[in-house]
Amino acid sequence: EADIYQTPRYLVIGTGKKITLECSQTMGHDKMYWYQQDPGMELHLIHYSYGVNSTEKGDLSSESTVSRIRTEHFPLTLESARPSHTSQYLCASTDRKGNYNEQFFGPGTRLTVL
Amino acid sequence: GDSVTQMEGPVTLSEEAFLTINCTYTATGYPSLFWYVQYPGEGLQLLLKATKADDKGSNKGFEATYRKETTSFHLEKGSVQVSDSAVYFCALTMNRDDKIIFGKGTRLHILP
Repeated sequence: EADIYQTPRYLVIGTGKKITLECSQTMGHDKMYWYQQDPGMELHLIHYSYGVNSTEKGDLSSESTVSRIRTEHFPLTLESARPSHTSQYLCASTDRKGNYNEQFFGPGTRLTVL
Repeated sequence: GDSVTQMEGPVTLSEEAFLTINCTYTATGYPSLFWYVQYPGEGLQLLLKATKADDKGSNKGFEATYRKETTSFHLEKGSVQVSDSAVYFCALTMNRDDKIIFGKGTRLHILP
């Protein structure tokens, strides 16, 4: 069973607030990812990290930022939330198994910006 | 570029019906293929995988066979249950990097 955690699970906030979505994994994985999942279910990669002090932007442009100061922790921050940021955010990490990578997902944070 | 195409949903079936969710891929090389499942209110879980041509992945009564000649990885189950209601994602990874490419997902509703 994957040990990857996200908090909070649900968040409702007002426009203009600064928020941080937490993601932690206890598996020692170097590679971690953030996805945004739209109401139509499609997953969009918004950030990824290959290890401590490594962060890269994903395929979908996002106003959020990430940091990776510790291997197990990969928080996502929105400096000023807007209604367009309302979405489900999923964190994942990757374990190399032989010749392929398996991604483990957290339970997600459902963000609503009013 | 590499991509995954899966059948659009929602798919609605009665309990004990046979399920097929189609998935085809485009890749320059030999990807590993996956099916992930997302139950309501949860993150994605790996359902099954196949890492080379003709491999069959199986789990919880679900099966999918890696068909290189048709570039397909269709998901099947002989008798679905209400508890199988979820969103199913077909995905591939090219092994040379660490990104996974997901299809758009197929929502499955099973009626009692």
